[in-house]
Amino acid sequence: NAGVTQTPKFQVLKTGQSMTLQCAQDMNHNSMYWYRQDPGMGLRLIYYSASEGTTDKGEVPNGYNVSRLNKREFSLRLESAAPSQTSVYFCASSEEWGNTEAFFGQGTRLTVV
Amino acid sequence: SQQGEEDPQALSIQEGENATMNCSYKTSINNLQWYRQNSGRGLVHLILIRSNEREKHSGRLRVTLDTSKKSSSLLITASRAADTASYFCATDMFSGGYNKLIFGAGTRLAVHP
Repeated sequence: NAGVTQTPKFQVLKTGQSMTLQCAQDMNHNSMYWYRQDPGMGLRLIYYSASEGTTDKGEVPNGYNVSRLNKREFSLRLESAAPSQTSVYFCASSEEWGNTEAFFGQGTRLTVV
Repeated sequence: SQQGEEDPQALSIQEGENATMNCSYKTSINNLQWYRQNSGRGLVHLILIRSNEREKHSGRLRVTLDTSKKSSSLLITASRAADTASYFCATDMFSGGYNKLIFGAGTRLAVHP
């Protein structure tokens, strides 16, 4: 039982490049989320998917897009990377977001140069 | 602005001592959760306390919740070097039709042998 799996673990991008961060969970959870973590800022919600087929913006959605491909997978896309998007990205899932325990992936450390 | 804010930002203690971290939040909640993050890793859920609960225990962890003061505390008793980590509180916030989990900036705990 892998829990929440994120790929890749590390990535370096040049400004203007695009990439997709992948996330998959094997716990049959309804809700999935993408957070970014910057030093001293805690975790900030980028996008979330309360259930399969729905996505919505969080606190800091600008510059990102998401796809809830199916119940298992929730991807985050950076269309044109900027240095301000240098961060650690975490995917998480839960049976019911906010009301139950959340399970986190190990994170993707992204550097945009 | 963030819903939850931890205090202190950093805490340094000796093994065997107790560690207390506090969390204050701004709006009404249904529940409050505490998470631990070891350096370079994802977050791990510790405890969830609901708004109608005042205290909860899990092993060496004790969490209290005072909804009148909009605050919570996490007590780690008889701390160990392995407790060295960052600790985050997270509160549910209902907006946009969904419940979201909003994190504070965290308390960095260092336990010295």
